[in-house]
Amino acid sequence: GENVEQHPSTLSVQEGDSAVIKCTYSDSASNYFPWYKQELGKGPQLIIDIRSNVGEKKDQRIAVTLNKTAKHFSLHITETQPEDSAVYFCAAPLTDSWGKLQFGAGTQVVVTP
Amino acid sequence: DAGVIQSPRHEVTEMGQEVTLRCKPISGHDYLFWYRQTMMRGLELLIYFNNNVPIDDSGMPEDRFSAKMPNASFSTLKIQPSEPRDSAVYFCASSPHAQRVGDTQYFGPGTRLTVL
Repeated sequence: GENVEQHPSTLSVQEGDSAVIKCTYSDSASNYFPWYKQELGKGPQLIIDIRSNVGEKKDQRIAVTLNKTAKHFSLHITETQPEDSAVYFCAAPLTDSWGKLQFGAGTQVVVTP
Repeated sequence: DAGVIQSPRHEVTEMGQEVTLRCKPISGHDYLFWYRQTMMRGLELLIYFNNNVPIDDSGMPEDRFSAKMPNASFSTLKIQPSEPRDSAVYFCASSPHAQRVGDTQYFGPGTRLTVL
């Protein structure tokens, strides 16, 4: 099955700086890599995803890059703001199952003014 | 759309009691997932349904846990009897299509369960 590792577990950045979170996966057949953001007291919400036929995707201050050869993908947040403070999860589908996502352990991001 | 609806939002119960958590998925979604989140174990998938049929319950901790989906708009997760180690936040999520083809899971706000 799929194994997803996420680093770092915590990340403290100054407002305006960039934040990068990295994930590795084990199943080379995985083809879809979403990132979820979880704010305090809420459920995870999808913020961006990437499919295996592209290497990078951007949405305003958020970007995701994918390296299929190395089997890792990263979330990049530029010009961080206090509202970016949250827990971020990467995920990858288990290719032996139609319906399951394997989530990383999460990264607590704290943006300090 | 109101999104995924879960009830109750908070539940405090005593060890040995039965607990029932409820979920209403987004209308038209074919997949429904139940997750448990704890500091120690992170986000764990307990069970998921496709078109109201349980597909994979390999994440259900033990026989004390059961889940049903009697129709497309309602699912329950039951713990009987509850134990302190069941204390966690339980999330329900729904998705239009299968994850393997790449589709968003929409999470509910969660139920925070405390078993004393």
